[in-house]
Amino acid sequence: GENVEQHPSTLSVQEGDSAVIKCTYSDSASNYFPWYKQELGKGPQLIIDIRSNVGEKKDQRIAVTLNKTAKHFSLHITETQPEDSAVYFCAASKAGNQFYFGTGTSLTVIP
Amino acid sequence: EAGVAQSPRYKIIEKRQSVAFWCNPISGHATLYWYQQILGQGPKLLIQFQNNGVVDDSQLPKDRFSAERLKGVDSTLKIQPAKLEDSAVYLCASSLSGTGGYGYTFGSGTRLTVV
Repeated sequence: GENVEQHPSTLSVQEGDSAVIKCTYSDSASNYFPWYKQELGKGPQLIIDIRSNVGEKKDQRIAVTLNKTAKHFSLHITETQPEDSAVYFCAASKAGNQFYFGTGTSLTVIP
Repeated sequence: EAGVAQSPRYKIIEKRQSVAFWCNPISGHATLYWYQQILGQGPKLLIQFQNNGVVDDSQLPKDRFSAERLKGVDSTLKIQPAKLEDSAVYLCASSLSGTGGYGYTFGSGTRLTVV
């Protein structure tokens, strides 16, 4: 099956700085890569996603890049704010069926 | 649009007892998933339904876990008997079929503590 690795496990940044989280996947057939934000006591919330026919996608302060050859994808958050503090999960999927999740990154934005 | 509803939000039981969780997906979503999220880890799929049929239950510990989705809408996940290692958050998700992930939405989960 698919194996998704995520780094770092924890990340602290100063407010206004950028944060980058990286994931690798093993199954070259995976073609859908969502990123989820999970706040304490809540379910994962989709923040951005990318499909294998696209190399980069941006939504305001959030961007995701995908390198299919190297089988890795990254989440970039610019101008971080305290409300960005949460656990972030990457995932990989074939055709949007079962999601294989990374182990999560706990992001802390220091005011 | 209403989200994925789950109940209860929290449950504490003793080992060897049984427990059931309920999920109501987003209206019109034919595909329903149950995930287990152990503290500090990412969610892992337990079972996937397409309407009321099982698509994938390869990671469901069938000796103690069971799930059903009658009438292709609501679903229940049961654990009997529970073990300490079943302590986790159980997440339900639903999606439109054949959309490659569009609309894939998680509920808030049920936090199970087995003591």
